This record gives sequence, C-alpha cells and structure tokens, in this order.
Amino acid sequence: NAGVTQTPKFQVLKTGQSMTLQCAQDMNHNSMYWYRQDPGMGLRLIYYSASEGTTDKGEVPNGYNVSRLNKREFSLRLESAAPSQTSVYFCASSSGWGRGSNQPQHFGDGTRLSIL
Amino acid sequence: GQQLNQSPQSMFIQEGEDVSMNCTSSSIFNTWLWYKQDPGEGPVLLIALYKAGELTSNGRLTAQFGITRKDSFLNISASIPSDVGIYFCAGILQYTGANSKLTFGKGITLSVRP
Repeated sequence: NAGVTQTPKFQVLKTGQSMTLQCAQDMNHNSMYWYRQDPGMGLRLIYYSASEGTTDKGEVPNGYNVSRLNKREFSLRLESAAPSQTSVYFCASSSGWGRGSNQPQHFGDGTRLSIL
Repeated sequence: GQQLNQSPQSMFIQEGEDVSMNCTSSSIFNTWLWYKQDPGEGPVLLIALYKAGELTSNGRLTAQFGITRKDSFLNISASIPSDVGIYFCAGILQYTGANSKLTFGKGITLSVRP
C-alpha cells in the first residue's frame, strides 16, 4: 500500500525556473490537496481538488497552478519559481470533501524544494 | 477565519512520563483530528473524533472531542523515544451544501529524554 506518493523528494531550482511537483494516490480517494509547510507557519493549503475535474484555490494560491490529471493524480506547478516558494510541499487525499464530508486527509512524505 | 491554538510550541518530557496536549478554538468544529509528523516525513493520522464528548484510544494514545466542540485533547501515556515528533491538531467545519473546511494548528514539538 503506497498511499500518497510524491515526486521528487528533493529539488533545487534557480529563481525564474519552472517545476512541476507530482502526486498520486492509490486509495481511490475523490479529493486531493496541496499544502506548503514553513517553520512556525504550520500547514497552509495552496489548492485543492474536491473531485476529478475540479480545482479550487486555498489559502495561499499565488504563484502556483494545479492540474487534476485524473482521479489518481494531482500536480502542482511553479511557473516562475521565487525564493519565497522555498518550502516543504505536501500532497494529501481524502475520500470526501464538501457537502458535509468530514473524512480525514492522508499525506505523502513531501517534496523539499529550495529556490536559490 | 477559524484558528486552532496549540501551546506550548515545544514540550520536553522524560521517557515513561505521560503527556497531555490540547487544542482550542473560538469556533465550533464538527470533527477533530490528531496527526503526528516524524522528521522528514508527512503527517500521519493518529486519531479521528466525530462526536462531541467522544473519547477514542489508539494504543497508548487517547484523544477526546470537547463537549463545547471548541477543543480537543490528546494524551500519550508511558512515553517512549519514538514518540518524538510534531503533533498537529486539525478541525473540520462542515457547511451545509458547501465545501467543508479543514484547519490545522501549528503543532507541538515533543522531545522525550531517555
């Protein structure tokens, strides 16, 4: 059982470069999420996808785009990386989101991204 | 917006001791979750609570959903070195006919002295 798989695990970019972070889940979950984790800030939601074919902004969406490729995969793209985007990025999934859903989210092991 | 308060930011205990953490909010939540994050890994769900007053155990861990629905508690009994990590609380607020909202606390870093 892989659960939520994120690639790559580590990446170093130069300012202005672009990058796509990949996430896949094998739990047949409907909803998927991208978070960033910074020291002292906890987990902040970037974007989420309540179901296949839909995406919505979270708390800190600026500078990011997402694609829900299919039910399993949800990617996060940085079009022009900035040093402020240096962070640890986590993907998560849950069986439900919205319309009264209260299902817990399950997380991947993260991508550690440094922007120089 | 809703905020979850976890304090202190760090806790230091001796191996074998019990420890209690709480999570408070000014808002009511419908579901409370407790996660643990080990260094270099993602948060892992420990306990989920769905009903006010609910008390749930997972091995040496016990969590409670506060009666007021504005707080939750996590207790770890007989701590061991592998309990080291960051403990996050999270709350889900369900809106009728709209998307639910998940809010995380900032976490408590637990250190266990052998």
